[in-house]
Amino acid sequence: KAGVTQTPRYLIKTRGQQVTLSCSPISGHRSVSWYQQTPGQGLQFLFEYFSETQRNKGNFPGRFSGRQFSNSRSEMNVSTLELGDSALYLCASSLVGDTQETQYFGPGTRLLVL
Amino acid sequence: GESVGLHLPTLSVQEGDNSIINCAYSNSASDYFIWYKQESGKGPQFIIDIRSNMDKRQGQRVTVLLNKTVKHLSLQIAATQPGDSAVYFCAVPDGATNKLIFGTGTLLAVQP
Repeated sequence: KAGVTQTPRYLIKTRGQQVTLSCSPISGHRSVSWYQQTPGQGLQFLFEYFSETQRNKGNFPGRFSGRQFSNSRSEMNVSTLELGDSALYLCASSLVGDTQETQYFGPGTRLLVL
Repeated sequence: GESVGLHLPTLSVQEGDNSIINCAYSNSASDYFIWYKQESGKGPQFIIDIRSNMDKRQGQRVTVLLNKTVKHLSLQIAATQPGDSAVYFCAVPDGATNKLIFGTGTLLAVQP
């Protein structure tokens, strides 16, 4: 079974631009979560989507948004990019997002904001 | 909310030795714990998990121990190999959601 895939793998943007990242979960998984990883803050939860609805949200500004499609694929968008948005963005999928389900991570999208 | 900490940022071991990586959590109601391995340039890879109704769980060359009394868990890697070199994270779901709270990670460096 194919793992979680994320595209693109690398991205360079400039301040003020916006970016869209994509995540395809493991086949059959309906919950998709997004995390930001930086050297200073570590892994931080952004949001979780299930059945095309945002179910949980982390402590990030409204510039960070996402959506999920009927096939469970998910996208996240960051508008008005700031230098501090440079990070590895990871998505993770699980069957239904139960608290005792394993979440499987993709390889991440490394975003560099100049 | 939950908070998770790791005891050592870096652990250096000789190839063939056993490695022990520690993690502490704050919420005594936490009932599920996961260890991930992250190699350079990759996403976190699931290693092993344990539920609160267990004290110990074994996988291939890895063992996780859970001490609920002191809110501590550890990951033991037997006969550590160069391919085990990575950052290891423990993670705990935050309360009623599946939002994972991660520790800061321990960098395991295996010396040949």
